[in-house]
Amino acid sequence: EDKVVQSPLSLVVHEGDTVTLNCSYEVTNFRSLLWYKQEKKAPTFLFMLTSSGIEKKSGRLSSILDKKELFSILNITATQTGDSAIYLCAVDSTPLKGGATNKLIFGTGTLLAVQP
Amino acid sequence: NAGVTQTPKFQVLKTGQSMTLQCAQDMNHEYMSWYRQDPGMGLRLIHYSVGAGITDQGEVPNGYNVSRSTTEDFPLRLLSAAPSQTSVYFCASSYSMIVNTGELFFGEGSRLTVL
Repeated sequence: EDKVVQSPLSLVVHEGDTVTLNCSYEVTNFRSLLWYKQEKKAPTFLFMLTSSGIEKKSGRLSSILDKKELFSILNITATQTGDSAIYLCAVDSTPLKGGATNKLIFGTGTLLAVQP
Repeated sequence: NAGVTQTPKFQVLKTGQSMTLQCAQDMNHEYMSWYRQDPGMGLRLIHYSVGAGITDQGEVPNGYNVSRSTTEDFPLRLLSAAPSQTSVYFCASSYSMIVNTGELFFGEGSRLTVL
């Protein structure tokens, strides 16, 4: 059975700390791994990773994928209270050939709380 | 652009009642989908559509029905509501299966409570 596992489930840090969120996966097909940030409402897209070892960066957030060990990490440096959210990892497991499916498998998320 | 619009935002139903969650997008996206989000379960795919007239089941389709008569709209119908369908429902869309940027655009969610 395809699955995506995120750790830790929750995390409390202080402003200025650096955090690392983990995502491991076991899937039949792999197209990409995606990170989303969910504050109070809709998840919003952060990164899409398709190749191992290539870091994606946006401001204080960065992410990298290891396709050999089947995991990804999301780093947040110099955390701010506005980083408080649930961070979702998802794997696009759509079959590469044939069919017209879009199979995204989500992890349960990591709840990050950044205290002043 | 409004993006993905869901209505209603909140709804309380009694067991056995039926209702429709509406979803509309104005980005001309081919792909639309419905997810439910439950504590400790993550987001789970209910139904999806790759274009007008084409729908298919996701991971948890039982008790739900969908149709896609236009590119813009993708309503989710609860046929006979059950307490197990208490959840937060998200509609999401993306450009196309062929040109897959990986980015899903989510609506703001509909919180449904079934008593």
